[in-house]
Amino acid sequence: QKEVEQDPGPLSVPEGAIVSLNCTYSNSAFQYFMWYRQYSRKGPELLMYTYSSGNKEDGRFTAQVDKSSKYISLFIRDSQPSDSATYLCAMKGNQGGKLIFGQGTELSVKP
Amino acid sequence: DGGITQSPKYLFRKEGQNVTLSCEQNLNHDAMYWYRQDPGQGLRLIYYSQIVNDFQKGDIAEGYSVSREKKESFPLTVTSAQKNPTAFYLCASRTGGPPYEQYFGPGTRLTVT
Repeated sequence: QKEVEQDPGPLSVPEGAIVSLNCTYSNSAFQYFMWYRQYSRKGPELLMYTYSSGNKEDGRFTAQVDKSSKYISLFIRDSQPSDSATYLCAMKGNQGGKLIFGQGTELSVKP
Repeated sequence: DGGITQSPKYLFRKEGQNVTLSCEQNLNHDAMYWYRQDPGQGLRLIYYSQIVNDFQKGDIAEGYSVSREKKESFPLTVTSAQKNPTAFYLCASRTGGPPYEQYFGPGTRLTVT
């Protein structure tokens, strides 16, 4: 079983839809939870991060962490064609150590 | 501008040849990483370095080698021993404190025929 599981999609939605992207994990030591966005043939860029449990909102994006269920989500409201990309969840424990990535979910927002 | 540069963007090699991918950063980060990305498999860690003159194997180090002689530079050599080298290679560096964010370069697409 992988430490981090993410539905690879692809996911196709109409413009304006609410998108929900999810990851599950098995390591209870994870404390930092991140979402990266990767456009085609580019390097990933950090979209949002959350420490421990709770919600974090940034414009149209909301990140949620439920440590009791070992489940994290990224919600995109009023999705735009420019949101079309691959979204990667990533997580790690405290201090140093490796960042563990999910497989990535490919999202397409149709005009 | 601060950031990570990788060169070249596209690289073509014949089977049996070693090839070195460049990664340079001017973010003053101690830690640097190399990942390989294949369709549907996310990012897989090849090697990482937490400080100059030190590096550790990641999950898929076989057939690869690295050096870390300078803080700014972390080149990756794909050797002829790597059985399936065609992939998208990403270099990253990491901040020294929370949230330990990794910044990625633009990537190098290596094709071996």
